[in-house]
Order: sequence, then C-alpha cells, then structure tokens
Amino acid sequence: QVQLVQSGAEVKKPGASVKVSCKASGNTFNSNDINWVRQATGQGLEWMGWMNPNSGDTGYAQKFQGRVAMTRDTSIKTAYMELSSLRSEDSAVYYCATSTSGSSSLGDWGQGTLVTVSS
Amino acid sequence: QSVLTQPPSVSAAPGQKVTISCSGSTSNIGNNYVSWYQQLPGTAPKLLIYDSNQRPSGIPDRFSGSTSGTSATLGITGLQTGDEADYYCGTWDNSLSAGVFGGGTKLTVL
Repeated sequence: QVQLVQSGAEVKKPGASVKVSCKASGNTFNSNDINWVRQATGQGLEWMGWMNPNSGDTGYAQKFQGRVAMTRDTSIKTAYMELSSLRSEDSAVYYCATSTSGSSSLGDWGQGTLVTVSS
Repeated sequence: QSVLTQPPSVSAAPGQKVTISCSGSTSNIGNNYVSWYQQLPGTAPKLLIYDSNQRPSGIPDRFSGSTSGTSATLGITGLQTGDEADYYCGTWDNSLSAGVFGGGTKLTVL
C-alpha cells in the first residue's frame, strides 16, 4: 500500500493555473501509475489522466487535452498535476490515485486538494 | 452525463441485501474489468472491488461484484448503517482511451 499526501487548498482567479502535488511514501513510487480524478461539489468522479512515474508517459482525457500537464520528480517521489486557463467550472476537489500498469483500478488515494476558482 | 449509468439512489434496511447496477457498452464494461468505490461523506473514495469481482485485502466479503455483458453489479449483504455512502463504478473505455465512472449511487440504510 502507498500513502499519498497532497498539497493544500488553493484559490485561483479565472485564467490562472494551479499545480497540485502528490507525494508518495515508501519505495513503491515507481511501481504504480498515478492518476488524477476530480470531483466538483455534490457531483461525481471525473477521470483526468494518468502518468507513469518511471517513463513520464502520460495519457489525458480529451476534455483536458492542451490544458493539463502531469509531471513528476522521482527524487522526492512526488507527482504533479497542473491545470491552466482555469474557469469557475474547474472548482473541485482533485485527487491523485495509484493504479498498476494496465489496470484502471485505483487502489490508493490521496486525501484530496480543494481548488476554488473565483474572481 | 456519465459514460456509465448507475441509479441515483438505493435504500434498504439494516441486515438486508442491496444491489447497485452499472450499465455501459462494449467499449467499456463489455471488454474491461470493472472497479467499485465507496465514498463516505467528506472522504476520498476507497476501492471496494477490482477486476470486476476481486476484493482488496481488508474489504469484508459482504461486498461482491459481478458482470454480465455490458453491465456490472455491486452487491452488499448484511447492511450496516456504516455502509451509508456514495458508490461508484469505474472502468476503462477503449473508444475514449480514458477512465470512466458512473454518476454514483447514494446508499441509504433505513
């Protein structure tokens, strides 16, 4: 099992960018893909994309193509999700979660990071 | 509009059994494993079922999963008040090349 600890809440203005971090504990950071899922208040889960921490390979949901970037710093076992051109509809809790390569099952989750987009 | 379709809510009495359905298509459930997640209020989702019918360690056998064609079902027996939560199905969609979720089902234990 991997413990994932995310960065704190953010408040951003429309048009700005936000970068959320997800730090993994233990020695298994390179063993699992990192996925990002968001949830607007009172709404369901929305998958945003995945990243392989070993290779840096990524895959993004079409909805976020061109606006999202998932990166990592393996030296500190931390994954990042940056979302740009923020709009009010991007206000949500953002979660990182692990999956084994080839599986869509999300086994370990971070605690979530609330991003509020407001002028 | 979610790619996978779940009923918005289900309810049952303590001790009873409930099932939650998840309907998809050949591009997702019909050709990929399904996962189920439990989300208690104010917390992150928790994996309940993976590979359509497997339970992670620590998940009681009151929870079960099954699939048939393009649909999946989560079963919960011996309902407890602590089971009150939102439940989500999820899988991969080959056409979208993306992970997809159902809209979630709120379970009420009366």
